[in-house]
Order: sequence, then structure tokens, then C-alpha cells
Amino acid sequence: DIQMTQSPSSLSASVGDRVTITCRASQSISNSLNWYQQNTGKAPKLLIYATSSLQSGVPSRFSGSGSGTDFTLTISSLQPEDFATYYCQQSYSDLLSFGPGTKLDIQ
Amino acid sequence: EVQLVESGGGLIQPGGSLRLSCAASGFNFRSYAMTWVRQAPGKGLKWVSTISATGYSTYYADSVKGRFTISRDSSKNTVYLQMHSLRAEDTALYYCAKKTGVAGDLDSWGQGTLVTVSS
Repeated sequence: DIQMTQSPSSLSASVGDRVTITCRASQSISNSLNWYQQNTGKAPKLLIYATSSLQSGVPSRFSGSGSGTDFTLTISSLQPEDFATYYCQQSYSDLLSFGPGTKLDIQ
Repeated sequence: EVQLVESGGGLIQPGGSLRLSCAASGFNFRSYAMTWVRQAPGKGLKWVSTISATGYSTYYADSVKGRFTISRDSSKNTVYLQMHSLRAEDTALYYCAKKTGVAGDLDSWGQGTLVTVSS
């Protein structure tokens, strides 16, 4: 099975900051990497699919990059509604797997 | 608008069985694989199971293999998760999600149904 890791596990930042979250796969997954945002008490929401494609309706301050085993999610200028938990997920294998999550909170 | 509505959760004793349902609308159900993802209280997302668009292929996490069965009924636009031999560690909010065919991402999610395994 493909294991996913994320760093950092938590991050404190301020409105307007640029933040980057890293995700690593235990083997090459090509570009089959997706990112989700989850606010407390809510269902996850797809942000980015296939490493760098922005889901419809997602603000352009979100971007993704990477390939193979190493991937990043960048938020260019944090907005109040961005403070949430972020998960990466690989879809290279039919046996899907998620990263452990990165909690982004207000500094 | 895509809608996924889960139901069937509740309090169940260890060793018991439960069947979750996910009613889908707003898209061509027959064309998409469907997935169950769970989240234990205060924990992260864990993939549980996926069923292909045709229903011919099913996939399971090791932690539920042999105990859970995923199925779908295209006449009812519903996907099911039959759970047997439930354990305390199966306690979680269970989400149903639509899996896209190209990138394999989960682009639509329900609000979840809570399963609590406790005596």
C-alpha cells in the first residue's frame, strides 16, 4: 500500500501570509495527488486534483505542484476562511490513501 | 447539483452489524465509482472502500477487508456499506464520496453518518 506523509502537522500563520504544505508518497505516484480542505464539523472539500488542477470554484490563491513522490500545496495570501485542516490523497492506486493532515490555525 | 446523503449510522454493540446507505442525485450515478471514507473522532481521513462504476470491482482497506462489503444499486442510485463484526475502532463518521474517472479524486462528499461501536 502507498503511505502518505505530510509536513508540518500543524502550522500557525496570519492573514496575508504565504504558506506551503508538503506531502510525500512512499513510492512514485506520478501526478495522482489531490488536496482537500476540511473545516471543523464539515465534510472535506476538493481543492486541487492531479497535482495542480484547481477544482471549479476554488480561489486562485491555492496552487499545487510536484511529481513522483514530493508535492506541495501553496496558499499565496491566507484569508480568514482558509484556516482549516488540509489533507493530501493519492489516487495512483485503487487502494486510496490520505496523508495525516496539516492543521492551519491563526497565529 | 450533486447530492450525497448518507444514512444508517447509529450505536451498535461490538460484534454487531450495520448497513450504511448513500443516496446519490444530480449526476449520472452509473458512470462513477463511489467511495467510503471514515473519520474517527478528532482524527484524520481514512479510506475504507471503493466500488467501480459497473460494480464489478471492489477495493477495501486492510482494516476492514473480510468484514465490510461495498455494493451499489443503480436502480436506486444508492451505494451501500455492509459492516459486520464491528469493533470499537470502527467508531467514526462515515462519508460517501463520488470518485472521478480521470484523476481519481473525490470531488463530491456527503455530510456523513456516525457509527458508534460501544457496549
